[in-house]
Amino acid sequence: DARVTQTPRHKVTEMGQEVTMRCQPILGHNTVFWYRQTMMQGLELLAYFRNRAPLDDSGMPKDRFSAEMPDATLATLKIQPSEPRDSAVYFCASGLDTQETQYFGPGTRLLVL
Amino acid sequence: AQSVAQPEDQVNVAEGNPLTVKCTYSVSGNPYLFWYVQYPNRGLQFLLKYITGDNLVKGSYGFEAEFNKSQTSFHLKKPSALVSDSALYFCAVSSLARGSYIPTFGRGTSLIVHP
Repeated sequence: DARVTQTPRHKVTEMGQEVTMRCQPILGHNTVFWYRQTMMQGLELLAYFRNRAPLDDSGMPKDRFSAEMPDATLATLKIQPSEPRDSAVYFCASGLDTQETQYFGPGTRLLVL
Repeated sequence: AQSVAQPEDQVNVAEGNPLTVKCTYSVSGNPYLFWYVQYPNRGLQFLLKYITGDNLVKGSYGFEAEFNKSQTSFHLKKPSALVSDSALYFCAVSSLARGSYIPTFGRGTSLIVHP
């Protein structure tokens, strides 16, 4: 049963530290999305890629966030430096294309103290 | 710009009764419409989608949704609710913009099914 995997599942860190979240999309999917979920803002689209190329990252704070796809099996989301307001659940999703069904990973729950 | 509205933060229904979770959207072109469900501490799971064709779409777990172009709505329905249907439901729309389809999710509706 193909699934999107995310690591780590939980992360507690201190303000100012670098945080790296990883995502392995479903094999054969060419589109990867990064979302952030909070109670206040709901589900926010941060960035997304097609065929490893970034299509849109306008939802992402550019000064501290960066998203990359080093290869077709790995997507990363980095926060440097982290701040308490970054505390949220970060989801990765993959799909066959941008208009197709998205398959979500289990999320990384981040707490920045 | 496209948008999705889920006007109810919470819907309460008794087990065995029909349920409806509302969704309206705004897009400039033809919409791709989706419903996803999120259980506690889990990622979102796909329920159903509308791309073209029959306005009534059937999906997982007995859910269905009706695409209404004139009312720009895509309400989620189920004839008989189960306690296990209690979860957070998200409506999403995607339309062509700048050469690709950019998804927009609603804020979610919490469905609570009472025994």
